[in-house]
Formats: sequence, structure tokens, C-alpha cells
Amino acid sequence: GENVEQHPSTLSVQEGDSAVIKCTYSDSASNYFPWYKQELGKRPQLIIDIRSNVGEKKDQRIAVTLNKTAKHFSLHITETQPEDSAVYFCAAQFRPMNRDDKIIFGKGTRLHILP
Amino acid sequence: EAQVTQNPRYLITVTGKKLTVTCSQNMNHEYMSWYRQDPGLGLRQIYYSMNVEVTDKGDVPEGYKVSRKEKRNFPLILESPSPNQTSLYFCASTYTGEMWNTEAFFGQGTRLTVV
Repeated sequence: GENVEQHPSTLSVQEGDSAVIKCTYSDSASNYFPWYKQELGKRPQLIIDIRSNVGEKKDQRIAVTLNKTAKHFSLHITETQPEDSAVYFCAAQFRPMNRDDKIIFGKGTRLHILP
Repeated sequence: EAQVTQNPRYLITVTGKKLTVTCSQNMNHEYMSWYRQDPGLGLRQIYYSMNVEVTDKGDVPEGYKVSRKEKRNFPLILESPSPNQTSLYFCASTYTGEMWNTEAFFGQGTRLTVV
């Protein structure tokens, strides 16, 4: 089955600097890669996603890149702000989902933005 | 408003006393899933369901039961809770289609303590 490795588990960056979180996946059939942000005491929520037919996607200060050959994808946050402090989860899936398909999440990265 | 509703939000119970955590979604999603979140372990899948009367084990199903009698509801049942089931639980749902409406929506979470 699919396995998703996420690194680092904790990341501290100075406010205004960039943060990068990396994930690798095992199932080459995966074609959809979402990122979720979980603020303290809240539920995870989707912030950006990428499909396998695209190499990069950007939304304001957030970008995601995908390398299908190497089976890894990364989340990039530029000009970090205090509100970026949260836990970030990556996931890898196959779409459309069949009975054997599950949403498998990485173990999460706790991002601290230092003042 | 599209939402996933879990109840209760907080629960303290004693070892061996059966409990049910309810989950309901109003988006007509086929796929529903339960996760437990523990420090350093991320979101681990307990059970998932692709549709009514179809349920499958996730990575950590021991000690849990689920049912899917209606599309909107997916309750999590702990027949005989034990202290190692103390955790934060999330229900999630998503459409199973191809490349649109792919976001997974999470409930607010249920913090369970078993003493």
C-alpha cells in the first residue's frame, strides 16, 4: 500500500524567511497530492494541492512542486508570517478512488515562525 | 454550509464503558474515514468507508468498530475502551471522483480520555 514519508518533523524559521517541507511517496500510481494545515486546536484544512500532470502550482506565498520520477513533492512557504505557525500534513492519493484506495497522510511537520 | 459534524467534542470515560462518537456530513460524499491523532504519529487511519454498507480497516483498527447504514453518518464505536485509546479523533469525508471536488473535509475533532 501507499506510504508517505514527511520531513522534517519540526521546523523553525525566522519570520520573513522561507520554509520548505518535503514528502516522498511509494505508490507510483498516486496522482493527487494535497497539503493540509492544522492550526492549534483546530481541524486540518486543505491549503493547496497538485495533480500529477502538473509540476508546480502557486497560490500567493504558498507553492507546491512535484517530481514524479523521484516520487517526491514539496511545500514552499515564502515570506513567512506568524499565522503560518501550524502543523502541516502532506498526503498522496489515487483519483478516482476505488475501494482499495485510502487517503494516507504524512506524519506532519510542526512549523514555528520565530519573531 | 458544507460541513462534517462530530459529537461529542470532549469525552472522559472509564475503562470498559462502551461509547460512540458520531460523525455526520451534509455533502453527499461517498468516502468517510476515521483517524486518530497522537503526538509524533500524525493522522493514523482507523476505518474507512467507500459507501453505504461498505467498511474497511485502516492501519489501526484494533479496538474499534464502525458502521455505515446511511451515506451521511459514520459512527465510531469503542466497545470496551482502554487507556491506550486516549487520543484526538477526527472524522473526514470526501468525494471519490477524479480531479475536482477532491478536498477532504474534517470534523472538529473529539478529544477522548479513557481513565
